[in-house]
Amino acid sequence: AQSVTQLDSQVPVFEEAPVELRCNYSSSVSVYLFWYVQYPNQGLQLLLKYLSGSTLVKGINGFEAEFNKSQTSFHLRKPSVHISDTAEYFCAVIPRGDKIIFGKGTRLHILP
Amino acid sequence: NAGVTQTPKFRILKIGQSMTLQCAQDMNHNYMYWYRQDPGMGLKLIYYSVGAGITDKGEVPNGYNVSRSTTEDFPLRLELAAPSQTSVYFCASSYRAGGSYNEQFFGPGTRLTVL
Repeated sequence: AQSVTQLDSQVPVFEEAPVELRCNYSSSVSVYLFWYVQYPNQGLQLLLKYLSGSTLVKGINGFEAEFNKSQTSFHLRKPSVHISDTAEYFCAVIPRGDKIIFGKGTRLHILP
Repeated sequence: NAGVTQTPKFRILKIGQSMTLQCAQDMNHNYMYWYRQDPGMGLKLIYYSVGAGITDKGEVPNGYNVSRSTTEDFPLRLELAAPSQTSVYFCASSYRAGGSYNEQFFGPGTRLTVL
């Protein structure tokens, strides 16, 4: 069965430090990949997506992610975080021809 | 465009009561979805629709019903509310044609408590 694993449920990081949020997936078919962000008491917003082409994808708010097919990963990175990045981040996978599967989320805490 | 709208924002129900969560989108999307979000569990798909008049079950459909009489609206009905249905409910929509797949757009959510 297809699945998405976000390896960290919570990640604390100091302001202006870099951050990486990890996402691994299992699928026997090719996939589309997404990262969504959920700010407190709001719905989910798309950060970035990989459909095809370049494996390095740039999104909004300075985030980027790299698709690694051999490691079945799609880790999210930002070189310098800001207090406004405090949110929950969801990795999602759509195996082609199937429905979207969300990870359980990673809560990013920015420390002053 | 208003995007995806949901009403109400908050609701408290007593066990056994019924209610309808409203969802509407003005982006002419063909696909619509209902999710529930429980702490630490991510999002779980309740029902989805690929177009007006067509709905299908997701991962956790028990205790819920949906209808899709128009492209714009996708209400979620809770019959005989139970404490296990305490959750935050999100409606989403997307446009899908052929083999393509676009991102889902989410509403702001409805926080439901069943006491």
